[in-house]
Amino acid sequence: ETGVTQSPTHLIKTRGQQVTLRCSSQSGHNTVSWYQQALGQGPQFIFQYYREEENGRGNFPPRFSGLQFPNYSSELNVNALELDDSALYLCASSLYFPNTEAFFGQGTRLTVV
Amino acid sequence: GQQLNQSPQSMFIQEGEDVSMNCTSSSIFNTWLWYKQDPGEGPVLLIALYKAGELTSNGRLTAQFGITRKDSFLNISASIPSDVGIYFCACRNTGTASKLTFGTGTRLQVTL
Repeated sequence: ETGVTQSPTHLIKTRGQQVTLRCSSQSGHNTVSWYQQALGQGPQFIFQYYREEENGRGNFPPRFSGLQFPNYSSELNVNALELDDSALYLCASSLYFPNTEAFFGQGTRLTVV
Repeated sequence: GQQLNQSPQSMFIQEGEDVSMNCTSSSIFNTWLWYKQDPGEGPVLLIALYKAGELTSNGRLTAQFGITRKDSFLNISASIPSDVGIYFCACRNTGTASKLTFGTGTRLQVTL
């Protein structure tokens, strides 16, 4: 059974650029959620995808968007990067029904300069 | 966004000591979870609590879901060096497995 894997592990972008982060869900899981974790803080829920559609969103602007693919993998896209977007981005997968708890990937460390 | 309040924020303890940390919320949740996060890694689930008043153990870890459904505590007995890390409480409601609200974290450091 493979766990949640994210890529890349680190990247550096310039303010104003766009970035795409990728996540492969744990085998058997059909729901993916994304979290932003600023330094010294707990993770903050960005959004969740189920059946290739956004299914719940936290307090993040529209320049944060996502996709889920038929194989349940997912992408997080952030446009017009700002310095405050620098954070660890975590992907978590779970089973929608019956509910299982979320398992997290190792994260992608994004630095915006 | 809303976060749960955890205390203490950080703690230094000696190996072999017992540790206690807690988490409170202004809202009611149906499920309370405790995660541990090591540097450069994602959170790892330690214990899940589903019923108010429930007390659950996982090895040296024990957690309780408060009767009011607005709080939880985590105890670690006989701490060892590998217990070092950041412990987060997290909450969710039924049917929202991935939509977690996290606490502010408790950083645990264990000295020999």
